[in-house]
Amino acid sequence: AQSVTQLDSQVPVFEEAPVELRCNYSSSVSVYLFWYVQYPNQGLQLLLKYLSGSTLVKGINGFEAEFNKSQTSFHLRKPSVHISDTAEYFCAVSENYGQNFVFGPGTRLSVLP
Amino acid sequence: GAVVSQHPSWVICKSGTSVKIECRSLDFQATTMFWYRQFPKQSLMLMATSNEGSKATYEQGVEKDKFLINHASLTLSTLTVTSAHPEDSSFYICSARVAAQETQYFGPGTRLLVL
Repeated sequence: AQSVTQLDSQVPVFEEAPVELRCNYSSSVSVYLFWYVQYPNQGLQLLLKYLSGSTLVKGINGFEAEFNKSQTSFHLRKPSVHISDTAEYFCAVSENYGQNFVFGPGTRLSVLP
Repeated sequence: GAVVSQHPSWVICKSGTSVKIECRSLDFQATTMFWYRQFPKQSLMLMATSNEGSKATYEQGVEKDKFLINHASLTLSTLTVTSAHPEDSSFYICSARVAAQETQYFGPGTRLLVL
């Protein structure tokens, strides 16, 4: 069975600083990987996804993530964060092409002025 | 594109009443819809998967008689929380998927408070 770990429950960072949100997964088969962002009292918005091909994936709002198969990781990065990036970020894994999403516990990114 | 709406966004009800939550795909046809539950400061937990025109598949531990799911059309799924109790208070989020596509598109969520 697949599982997702997000080691950092909270990440405080100053505005314009770089940030990395970590995601590790376990699965016995090939997976599809996603990052979603959730603003307070809202649903989830897709940031980016990895299906196949280039391991570096670029998403919306200046975010990017790199798939590392040997380390079973899919860390999310942004070179310079803004106050508006303050939100909850969820990493998700799917073994079954869009079905059976398993979400990590989430990382709360707080961007400080 | 790929917009999913939910109605209502907020609902407060008395214990023992039933509440219906609607999930609609506005600009695409969703062959599969998913219902999740999210407790405060926690991740999303899948409750059930529904395919248009067939019975929903519930995750282990989710009471199918309490959480009734109907997916009558390619753009609408409903979740009815029957005889709601305070412990059912939560944030309910639906998502929708187009056949043969890998991405789920999420609705804005419905916050249910049972008094």
